[in-house]
Amino acid sequence: DAGVIQSPRHEVTEMGQEVTLRCKPISGHDYLFWYRQTMMRGLELLIYFNNNVPIDDSGMPEDRFSAKMPNASFSTLKIQPSEPRDSAVYFCASRPDRGSSGELFFGEGSRLTVL
Amino acid sequence: AQSVTQPDIHITVSEGASLELRCNYSYGATPYLFWYVQSPGQGLQLLLKYFSGDTLVQGIKGFEAEFKRSQSSFNLRKPSVHWSDAAEYFCAVGNQAGTALIFGKGTTLSVSS
Repeated sequence: DAGVIQSPRHEVTEMGQEVTLRCKPISGHDYLFWYRQTMMRGLELLIYFNNNVPIDDSGMPEDRFSAKMPNASFSTLKIQPSEPRDSAVYFCASRPDRGSSGELFFGEGSRLTVL
Repeated sequence: AQSVTQPDIHITVSEGASLELRCNYSYGATPYLFWYVQSPGQGLQLLLKYFSGDTLVQGIKGFEAEFKRSQSSFNLRKPSVHWSDAAEYFCAVGNQAGTALIFGKGTTLSVSS
């Protein structure tokens, strides 16, 4: 089975530009999570969905960040406008609902650099 | 507050020597505990997990971890480290009830020859 797929793997953009990160979870997984990884703050949860519905977005840093999950196989994380402090690796993860021991399955991440 | 503490930011171990990475957690409910490993430029891979039963759990790549409820700890061990174990290691806590995992800030392991 394919794992969690994220795109792009690397993104370099200029301050003020819109950035869209994409994620395809593992088929059949009911939960999808977006995390951000930085040297200073480690892995932070931004938002997570259950059955395409946002459950907890308290980790979204500010209104410049938005996330959607229009269907069970696709999610986006958008930053508009981007700022240099948004530079980080953004991870998407998924997990099933039933029969789960809570383990998350991670994608390889999207490394964002905002100049 | 729910949290995970990994006291060691960076550890260097000689190849062939034993390894112990520390993890302490604070969690209100019965914890599910995890260790993940991250190689440079890669995502996180699960090493092992604990949610019930035997408090000593075995994982992949020869790693094991012991859950000690009285100490709120879940330390990761390996009897003999290989150069390929050099990576960043994350401890995480959660539960089955659909919540997200809370991660520690990670420990970077370097292996010297």
